[in-house]
Amino acid sequence: DIVLTQSPALAVSLGQRATISCKTNQNVDYYGNSYMHWYQQKPGQQPKLLIYLASNLASGIPARFSGRGSGTDFTLTIDPVEADDTATYYCQQSRNLLTFGSGTKLEIK
Amino acid sequence: QVQLKETGPGLVQPTQTLSITCTVSGFSLTSYYMQWVRQTPGKGLEWMGFIRSGGSTEYNSEFKSRLSISRDTSKNQVFLKMNSLKTEDTGVYYCARAERRVQVMDAWGQGASVTVSS
Repeated sequence: DIVLTQSPALAVSLGQRATISCKTNQNVDYYGNSYMHWYQQKPGQQPKLLIYLASNLASGIPARFSGRGSGTDFTLTIDPVEADDTATYYCQQSRNLLTFGSGTKLEIK
Repeated sequence: QVQLKETGPGLVQPTQTLSITCTVSGFSLTSYYMQWVRQTPGKGLEWMGFIRSGGSTEYNSEFKSRLSISRDTSKNQVFLKMNSLKTEDTGVYYCARAERRVQVMDAWGQGASVTVSS
């Protein structure tokens, strides 16, 4: 199984940059694509797709969100953070079946 | 407009079977994979399994022995059945649509809350 590791929490000041990391125990690259995706989940809501294939912005997602990485190391960046970005962020791999990271809870100071 | 909606029993007794239906609209089940993801209290998201656009299935090994996913394309419905329920299975169960090549979940239902208790 592919295991995804995320830090549990992050606190960032309003207007600053938030960088959330996701590390995998196996390479999730395949034929030039990184099968890593990012979701945002606010309390009481379903998850929402932000980024797919490591760096592609999903439809309707503001350009403040960006993703990068390859192989086993990935990051989601929010710059600048807004108060509404308070949420838990999950990475998910689809290289070998599917697994989610444990989530990073983002607090805006 | 793409929509997904889960309907479930709300309360299930331990050792019993959970059945949840996901009714979709705005797309065809024969064009997408349909995923089931759950979230138990205080925990993150946990992938349970999926049914492919062609009808075959894959399951998370953690649930494989007690989980079944099926569908009725004529009714635009996907079904989750899980037996031998335990209190630890209490949580919210989501269905989600996934593009078949990349397996990214671009549309989700609002979730069905399930409590396992006697």
